[in-house]
Amino acid sequence: AQKITQTQPGMFVQEKEAVTLDCTYDTSDQSYGLFWYKQPSSGEMIFLIYQGSYDEQNATEGRYSLNFQKARKSANLVISASQLGDSAMYFCAMSDSGAGSYQLTFGKGTKLSVIP
Amino acid sequence: GAVVSQHPSWVICKSGTSVKIECRSLDFQATTMFWYRQFPKQSLMLMATSNEGSKATYEQGVEKDKFLINHASLTLSTLTVTSAHPEDSSFYICSASSGLAGGGGSDTQYFGPGTRLTVL
Repeated sequence: AQKITQTQPGMFVQEKEAVTLDCTYDTSDQSYGLFWYKQPSSGEMIFLIYQGSYDEQNATEGRYSLNFQKARKSANLVISASQLGDSAMYFCAMSDSGAGSYQLTFGKGTKLSVIP
Repeated sequence: GAVVSQHPSWVICKSGTSVKIECRSLDFQATTMFWYRQFPKQSLMLMATSNEGSKATYEQGVEKDKFLINHASLTLSTLTVTSAHPEDSSFYICSASSGLAGGGGSDTQYFGPGTRLTVL
């Protein structure tokens, strides 16, 4: 069974600073996908970034980058130059391609608060 | 691209009534849609996986007769909460797999804005 662990229930960061949100995973699959989603107080889940297990380069999307360390089974999200609008819940997730329908397993989330 | 809409965004109903929630992929075809439930300050809990033209696959502990799912087309899935009770009050959110349309991997799920259900 797959498992996602997010050990930081809450994080604070000063505006314009960078912050790293931790995510470790456990799987016996060789092929899998890793995702980060942002959930603001409105409730919508916003897709941020994707990393495939066979991708050799770390994924980047604007101010978001994913620090993928396969041997350590970690997929940390780095947000550079934090903005007040980054305050939200952040969920790490993994796809279960073995199920055939790419179900996602979510971590418990990290609440990020950006301080002006 | 990869936009998913959900309707209604919130609903209040009396105990015993049924509520239908629609999930639509607006700019892509989704062979698979997912329905989640989220309680306050918790993570998402997968309820069922919906494939176009076939019966939904429900997760363990989810009553398929209570939560009816219909995936009628490649752009529409509906969740009907039948005979709703106060304990069904929750945030329901759907997602759809877009293939490569949204820029993520082929297994990326794109989420709707969610529906907040309150049963009195």
